[in-house]
Amino acid sequence: DGGITQSPKYLFRKEGQNVTLSCEQNLNHDAMYWYRQDPGQGLRLIYYSQIVNDFQKGDIAEGYSVSREKKESFPLTVTSAQKNPTAFYLCATKTAANIQYFGAGTRLSVL
Amino acid sequence: AQSVTQLDSQVPVFEEAPVELRCNYSSSVSVYLFWYVQYPNQGLQLLLKYLSGSTLVESINGFEAEFNKSQTSFHLRKPSVHISDTAEYFCAVSDPSESNDMRFGAGTRLTVKP
Repeated sequence: DGGITQSPKYLFRKEGQNVTLSCEQNLNHDAMYWYRQDPGQGLRLIYYSQIVNDFQKGDIAEGYSVSREKKESFPLTVTSAQKNPTAFYLCATKTAANIQYFGAGTRLSVL
Repeated sequence: AQSVTQLDSQVPVFEEAPVELRCNYSSSVSVYLFWYVQYPNQGLQLLLKYLSGSTLVESINGFEAEFNKSQTSFHLRKPSVHISDTAEYFCAVSDPSESNDMRFGAGTRLTVKP
């Protein structure tokens, strides 16, 4: 079954804790993206990666970190420095034709 | 960088009525345009896209959108909606020459009432 798998579906973070959101793809796409979605604000880009071992900050990278050690995987860590982490997080890949496909998302809440 | 404006945050409509969701983008030499649909607690699904060629593009479930370069618009239309079309719809634009330049509108919540 091909696609983009995000896990977990729901995640709770305690104050001062780092949490990691998983994104795995078997579409063989080079580019991967992380977005944050808040009600009424659309999607905002956190980080993106065009190739393995390389990534760039998006519009709202502060308080987040990523790694891209494998083509298939692009995990996002929400650090304790992110003071307002409650949101819906979406991972996406991009085809050579500039079309983005999305995972099912992870909803992060603060305890 | 491109920007996208979805002119209506909410559109209520009765079942079997026509609907138009409006989208305008900032001007550029060339753009790719997309409509995505999002059901509650799910990711975004690609509904239709304009990359080149015919300015009228259609989806498999009856939606269509028309690229209008002079008005920098990409409005989404459906002649007769169903209850199952209730969802959030996002317009997006990207610059083919930029790797990180896909911009999304704030979304339009379409609610189809019986």
